[in-house]
Amino acid sequence: AQSVTQLGSHVSVSEGALVLLRCNYSSSVPPYLFWYVQYPNQGLQLLLKYTTGATLVKGINGFEAEFKKSETSFHLTKPSAHMSDAAEYFCAASWTSGSRLTFGEGTQLTVNP
Amino acid sequence: DGGITQSPKYLFRKEGQNVTLSCEQNLNHDAMYWYRQDPGQGLRLIYYSQIVNDFQKGDIAEGYSVSREKKESFPLTVTSAQKNPTAFYLCASSQITGELFFGEGSRLTVL
Repeated sequence: AQSVTQLGSHVSVSEGALVLLRCNYSSSVPPYLFWYVQYPNQGLQLLLKYTTGATLVKGINGFEAEFKKSETSFHLTKPSAHMSDAAEYFCAASWTSGSRLTFGEGTQLTVNP
Repeated sequence: DGGITQSPKYLFRKEGQNVTLSCEQNLNHDAMYWYRQDPGQGLRLIYYSQIVNDFQKGDIAEGYSVSREKKESFPLTVTSAQKNPTAFYLCASSQITGELFFGEGSRLTVL
């Protein structure tokens, strides 16, 4: 079955440090890929998405992600963490346009002062 | 502004009661979804609908029911058959591109 795996349910970084959240998918067919962010007691907000074209995708709040087909990965990065980045992050994939999304289990990001 | 509205934000239920969570969207999206979120378990799909008057079970449909009588509305009923209903419920909608737009969520607590 096709699945999405996020390595690390909790990631802790210092303010100003690099943020790296890992996401891998299990399929030989590359999917459409998404990263969402969720703040406490709120819905999910789209950070960025990859459908086709350029493999380095830039999103909101300074985040970006790179699609690497050979590694079946779509890791999320931000060069310098802010306190406001503390939230839960979800990676998701769909394998055909308009099909339901498969979500990873989420990564809780903590930013330390 | 266009978006998805869920209500109520917080809901308390006694055991044995059915409750209905409302979800309305004005994005003109065809597809709508209900997810359940529990700590450490990510999002699990309950039901989804790709067109009016049609819906499909997701991964954890037991104990839940839905209707899709209007394009804008996709209410979820949590029935007394749902043995562990305390959770955070998220409604979403999408167009053909597959990107989901989420509501703010409804937190249900069983007393």
